[in-house]
Amino acid sequence: NAGVTQTPKFQVLKTGQSMTLQCAQDMNHNSMYWYRQDPGMGLRLIYYSASEGTTDKGEVPNGYNVSRLNKREFSLRLESAAPSQTSVYFCASSELTGTGTEAFFGQGTRLTVV
Amino acid sequence: QQQVKQSPQSLIVQKGGISIINCAYENTAFDYFPWYQQFPGKGPALLIAIRPDVSEKKEGRFTISFNKSAKQFSLHIMDSQPGDSATYFCAARGSARQLTFGSGTQLTVLP
Repeated sequence: NAGVTQTPKFQVLKTGQSMTLQCAQDMNHNSMYWYRQDPGMGLRLIYYSASEGTTDKGEVPNGYNVSRLNKREFSLRLESAAPSQTSVYFCASSELTGTGTEAFFGQGTRLTVV
Repeated sequence: QQQVKQSPQSLIVQKGGISIINCAYENTAFDYFPWYQQFPGKGPALLIAIRPDVSEKKEGRFTISFNKSAKQFSLHIMDSQPGDSATYFCAARGSARQLTFGSGTQLTVLP
């Protein structure tokens, strides 16, 4: 059982380059999320998708776009990378339960923009 | 604007001691409060969670204390072990079912 799988694990980009971070989950969850993690800032929500076919902005959406390709896959695109986007990116998926919401996270993508 | 404030930023505890991490929130619409544990190079993983109609929840050595009137909740790790060394995040779920995370606490348990 793979859970949430992110690719790539590491990436170095030059300023202005574009790239897409891929995420797939095999738990049949409806909701998926993209977070970025920076020192002292915790996890900040970039975009989320409550269900297949819908996407919404989170706390820090500027400079990013997302696509909910199907129920399993949720991708994050940087159209023109900037040094401020150097971060660790986490994809997560979740499902509402009777008691709460457990979010399952991928292993993360460490992105450096030079 | 951080809706969930977490302290301390870092914590060093001796093996066998008690680790305490605190969080405070403003949004009274939050209805679910989980704690996540993250080891280096890994994604966060759910550790324990509480709903606001309960004042305390205990799972093994981990306890959440919840004070609804003060809008504060805390994680207590009893008999802390070196294997507990990790970063801990509190979180809160809002009306849109999103989780808002605190800034994290890096816990080091000395052997």
